[in-house]
Amino acid sequence: GNSVTQMEGPVTLSEEAFLTINCTYTATGYPSLFWYVQYPGEGLQLLLKATKADDKGSNKGFEATYRKETTSFHLEKGSVQVSDSAVYFCALSDSSEGGADGLTFGKGTHLIIQP
Amino acid sequence: DAGITQSPRHKVTETGTPVTLRCHQTENHRYMYWYRQDPGHGLRLIHYSYGVKDTDKGEVSDGYSVSRSKTEDFLLTLESATSSQTSVYFCAISEPRGANVLTFGAGSRLTVL
Repeated sequence: GNSVTQMEGPVTLSEEAFLTINCTYTATGYPSLFWYVQYPGEGLQLLLKATKADDKGSNKGFEATYRKETTSFHLEKGSVQVSDSAVYFCALSDSSEGGADGLTFGKGTHLIIQP
Repeated sequence: DAGITQSPRHKVTETGTPVTLRCHQTENHRYMYWYRQDPGHGLRLIHYSYGVKDTDKGEVSDGYSVSRSKTEDFLLTLESATSSQTSVYFCAISEPRGANVLTFGAGSRLTVL
């Protein structure tokens, strides 16, 4: 079956530090990959996505590249801010035609940015 | 929250009582989902719907039932709540095209005493 593995944290960094959150996956087909972010007390919001190998998703200074050879989709940001403090979820969908069976999520990484 | 409303947002109930959570969308999306979020487990799919009156089980469906009589509403029912069902429940919607991008509601926090 499908699975997503990511570091759970908490990950604590100082403001302006470089961020990497690792994500690896197992899937039977050719999945689409996602990063979602959850701020305290809120639902999940899509941060970025990539639908095929070597695609790079980017948004709000965050980037992730779909690496089929290493089955990875690591999230990076060059300079984090206090406002980036949140829980980050890596997820996959193995239905290339928008199937109804939802996404498979990792357990989430709690990121804390200190001023 | 992109036209998704969950109700109630918070509920405290006792073991053995029935509970219904409601998800209402104004986006006319075909697919709807119920997930639960628990520490150490991330999000796990409970049930999903791929159209009116068309539903299927997810990873953790035991103890839950769902109904979808209208495109805009997806109900999650706990027939007899247990303490293990204390969780935060999220509804999500998507459309059947391209990458399966889900849009989430704000969540419903359920405490079963």
